[in-house]
Amino acid sequence: DIQMTQSPSSLSASVGDRVTITCRASQSISTYLNWYQQKPGRAPNLLIYSASNLQSGVPSRFRASGSGTDFTLTITSLQPEDFATYYCQQSYTTPWTFGQGAKVDI
Amino acid sequence: QVTLRESGPALVKPTATLTLTCAFSGFSLSTTGMSVSWIRQPPGKALEWLARIDWDDDKYYRPSLRTRLTISKDTSKNRVVLKMTNMDPIDTGTYFCARTPGIAAREERAFDVWGQGTMVTVSS
Repeated sequence: DIQMTQSPSSLSASVGDRVTITCRASQSISTYLNWYQQKPGRAPNLLIYSASNLQSGVPSRFRASGSGTDFTLTITSLQPEDFATYYCQQSYTTPWTFGQGAKVDI
Repeated sequence: QVTLRESGPALVKPTATLTLTCAFSGFSLSTTGMSVSWIRQPPGKALEWLARIDWDDDKYYRPSLRTRLTISKDTSKNRVVLKMTNMDPIDTGTYFCARTPGIAAREERAFDVWGQGTMVTVSS
C-alpha cells in the first residue's frame, strides 16, 4: 500500500493567517493526489483534484501543488469557515489511501 | 443534482454480517468511467477506503479486508451494496459512499460527491 503522511497533524492559526499543510507519499504517485476538507459530523468535501486543480465552487484562497511524492495545500488567508480537518488522498493505485489528517483550529 | 445516501443498521452484534446500501441519483453507474466507493471513519480517526465498484463491474478491495468484503451494484435501481462479514467492535465507525466520475481520467479520479454517512456501532 502507498502510505500518505501529512504534516503537521494539527496546527493552531488565526483568521487571516497563511496556512500550509504538506502530504508525502511513500512512492511516486505523479499528480494523482486529491485534498478534502472535513468538518465535525460532516462528510468530506473535495477541494483539490489532480494535485493542483480547484474543484468547482471552492474559494480561490485554497491552492495546491506538487507531483511525485511531495504535495502542499495552502490556504492563503484563513477564514472562520476553514477551521476543519484536511485530508490528502492518492488515487494512483488501489488500495486508495488517505493521509492521517491535519486539523486546523483556532 | 448528484446525491448519494447510505442506509443500514445502526447497531450490529460481533460476528454478524453488516449490509449497507448506497442509493444514488443524478448519475448512472453504467456510464463509462463511473465508480462508487465505500469509505469508513472510526470515531476521531482518519478516513479509510474499503472498496470500489466500477461501471464495468470491476471490483477492488482493501487488501486487509478482502476476505470480509463484498461490493455489488444494481444499476437499474441505482444502488451499490457493501457486505462486511464477521463484524468486530473495531469496525465501529461512520461508513460513507462516494462517487468517482472518471476512473480512467486523472483529473476525474477523486471522490467528488459523498453521502452523509451512516454510523455503525458493533456491540453485543
